[in-house]
Amino acid sequence: EAGVAQSPRYKIIEKRQSVAFWCNPISGHATLYWYQQILGQGPKLLIQFQNNGVVDDSQLPKDRFSAERLKGVDSTLKIQPAKLEDSAVYLCASSLDQGVGYTFGSGTRLTVV
Amino acid sequence: DAKTTQPPSMDCAEGRAANLPCNHSTISGNEYVYWYRQIHSQGPQYIIHGLKNNETNEMASLIITEDRKSSTLILPHATLRDTAVYYCIVRGSGNTPLVFGKGTRLSVIA
Repeated sequence: EAGVAQSPRYKIIEKRQSVAFWCNPISGHATLYWYQQILGQGPKLLIQFQNNGVVDDSQLPKDRFSAERLKGVDSTLKIQPAKLEDSAVYLCASSLDQGVGYTFGSGTRLTVV
Repeated sequence: DAKTTQPPSMDCAEGRAANLPCNHSTISGNEYVYWYRQIHSQGPQYIIHGLKNNETNEMASLIITEDRKSSTLILPHATLRDTAVYYCIVRGSGNTPLVFGKGTRLSVIA
């Protein structure tokens, strides 16, 4: 089966600019997650979707981050405006409903300068 | 916060078994132990998981102590491609999210 697709692979922006990341999960996977991974740390959950509804967004900085999952398939994560501390790898993952484990994409590496 | 404790780094000679320990003393009865690994520039990859019995698959073996307060991931014949960060995660049932700690950086040496 095809894996989780993410784009772009790399992005460099200046602080205060906006940026968007795209994720296409594995077909049929109802649950989708966005994680942020800062260099040297483990991934941190930002938001969890079940179909097109938000299950958990308690760690999403909502003043600047937003995410949506239209039609319960693809998802986008947006940052506006970006700060230097947003430099990280943004990982998308998906799983079957009540799934055993996640499948992660390769991530988008964001550098804010 | 992560519910597990792992050593920050370990080395292993190529061809030998790699034994990665994990402490999870506060694990509750319905929580599973999951192991993932992350090779440089890739997303985390699922390895194995278990509840209380030992588990084995084509990648690794998972040994969970009888009191479930610790576990060991065993890579039976480590290769250079096993060099990665290994994460031990305690997770409830259903779709509760994975909470990652800092993991163990395993270096396999030729």
